[in-house]
Amino acid sequence: GQQLNQSPQSMFIQEGEDVSMNCTSSSIFNTWLWYKQDPGEGPVLLIALYKAGELTSNGRLTAQFGITRKDSFLNISASIPSDVGIYFCAGQLITGNQFYFGTGTSLTVIP
Amino acid sequence: GAGVSQSPSNKVTEKGKDVELRCDPISGHTALYWYRQSLGQGLEFLIYFQGNSAPDKSGLPSDRFSAERTGGSVSTLTIQRTQQEDSAVYLCASSPTRGGTQYFGPGTRLLVL
Repeated sequence: GQQLNQSPQSMFIQEGEDVSMNCTSSSIFNTWLWYKQDPGEGPVLLIALYKAGELTSNGRLTAQFGITRKDSFLNISASIPSDVGIYFCAGQLITGNQFYFGTGTSLTVIP
Repeated sequence: GAGVSQSPSNKVTEKGKDVELRCDPISGHTALYWYRQSLGQGLEFLIYFQGNSAPDKSGLPSDRFSAERTGGSVSTLTIQRTQQEDSAVYLCASSPTRGGTQYFGPGTRLLVL
């Protein structure tokens, strides 16, 4: 299957700091999604991106669809303790219906 | 409205037994996906249903795994002769359209002893 490289694998940051994570692929995607998963829960959709270059915000979260269509970035500003969790990117090929998921970025926010 | 629901939330079974996992998608969603998530890993695609079309089974890891979707709504994932390596969280997601944004259920945590 498709490989999505998500980095970093884990992050430990102080409350109030900004966070950046990204996903890259060798294939071109036409949709990028970012999810957050809390322990014991299913992933919850944060942001959906449908066009190359698109920059979309959801509160303190901002995500961008890379212009090469092979990458995407998620930024969290002024982190708070409830931002703790695992963040997943997911990409959809132009030719397919399924989404391919990254391996996740585990975020820990230290109060 | 109601989100995706899955049952049971937890399942412990003995090696060799069969298990059935259920998914109730969001009403009106035509697409339904099953994924497997092992501890600390990303999501592994298993199977995809879209309306009345033949399902995409390309992600099923072996012939012990099967799934059906009755009436275009509820889906059941069946694992026969379970093995310890089948232990994982099994997530279901539904989407309002083919290839559209997916909404996940809480998952079923399966432990095979």
